[in-house]
Amino acid sequence: AQTVTQSQPEMSVQEAETVTLSCTYDTSESNYYLFWYKQPPSRQMILVIRQEAYKQQNATENRFSVNFQKAAKSFSLKISDSQLGDTAMYFCASGAFSGSARQLTFGSGTQLTVLP
Amino acid sequence: DTGVSQNPRHKITKRGQNVTFRCDPISEHNRLYWYRQTLGQGPEFLTYFQNEAQLEKSRLLSDRFSAERPKGSFSTLEIQRTEQGDSAMYLCASSIGGKMEAFFGQGTRLTVV
Repeated sequence: AQTVTQSQPEMSVQEAETVTLSCTYDTSESNYYLFWYKQPPSRQMILVIRQEAYKQQNATENRFSVNFQKAAKSFSLKISDSQLGDTAMYFCASGAFSGSARQLTFGSGTQLTVLP
Repeated sequence: DTGVSQNPRHKITKRGQNVTFRCDPISEHNRLYWYRQTLGQGPEFLTYFQNEAQLEKSRLLSDRFSAERPKGSFSTLEIQRTEQGDSAMYLCASSIGGKMEAFFGQGTRLTVV
């Protein structure tokens, strides 16, 4: 079984500043993946970044990076140089290739607003 | 464009009616997922296909829900005798074998009145 918890329902950040979104998870799988998805208003879910649990190095994608703390089961997303287009709902998700974990399990989301 | 396509985008139906949604995955993706998302919440898993085989169904998928993926291509999700509690966004996603990340369609928003 997998659970994903996002404890920050809403956050805001000034344009060009840096913001960190928190996520904790729990899983019984040994080989799992973690993701951050972005869902802009009335638009489709877009993959932002992925992390394989067996990799110690934190993933980065341009202005987006993660802080993966495996022992603490923590997976936070850092957005640098925030842009107005980053305003969206952000979902943390986990998944694995075995058993009932093959689908993604999502957190409840964090609504991020970038202020001009 | 070769992204995941869902139709219709919006559906309003009266309680008790049947509705059917369609999802066309990315062409080379053999895995297809249906999720349900209510306002302000994350998507919840409904069911999963690998090619034409439906391999998993969530407990959320009551007997009124049925999904098919004939020939491992597009998929349909049917809800019979709709209830107001079925009002939600229904999301389809697809992925390719060996890759965990899923690509989502724009969803079908169902409103039951």
